[in-house]
Amino acid sequence: DAGVIQSPRHEVTEMGQEVTLRCKPISGHNSLFWYRQTMMRGLELLIYFNNNVPIDDSGMPEDRFSAKMPNASFSTLKIQPSEPRDSAVYFCASSLARDRWFFGQGTRLTVV
Amino acid sequence: LAKTTQPISMDSYEGQEVNITCSHNNIATNDYITWYQQFPSQGPRFIIQGYKTKVTNEVASLFIPADRKSSTLSLPRVSLSDTAVYYCLVGDTSGTYKYIFGTGTRLKVLA
Repeated sequence: DAGVIQSPRHEVTEMGQEVTLRCKPISGHNSLFWYRQTMMRGLELLIYFNNNVPIDDSGMPEDRFSAKMPNASFSTLKIQPSEPRDSAVYFCASSLARDRWFFGQGTRLTVV
Repeated sequence: LAKTTQPISMDSYEGQEVNITCSHNNIATNDYITWYQQFPSQGPRFIIQGYKTKVTNEVASLFIPADRKSSTLSLPRVSLSDTAVYYCLVGDTSGTYKYIFGTGTRLKVLA
């Protein structure tokens, strides 16, 4: 298995633009997490899906953020409109039940 | 919400044993405590997971006291390649399936 795959690896966009981050979890995993990492706030949980259903999205900072998981093999995190304070590394992780999590390489987002 | 505390940084020499402790209050009573390692420009990588007492695998040991208010990651005989940031991960007791990473400990292994 290729592991958790995130795309793009790097994204630079202008303030106000829409940004879509993508994640392909490991086949067979039923839990998916989106995290954001910054120097100031560390690793923050944004949203947690179980069997493609959003279970906890209390970490989504604002209505500008939305996440979907249309099927077991794909998830997106969208920011619209983007702002400079959204600049961070966004990680996706997947797991089977309560077992260890596997993280992707992350997407480094820069909003200018 | 659960709160976690880790030392910001630690230095060690090659071949030494390193112990990193994470203090965590108000964590979920029925969930694992997990530790991850992160290298620059990479996602966190699983090291070890435990519920209570002691767990050991091929790379580390994890000690969890009965009250589960802390956990200690033990790395035996570290090498230069163990230089990384180490995080504990706990479940929040509020029942919202919220998982909280510690603040991270930057370990530097010196030759």
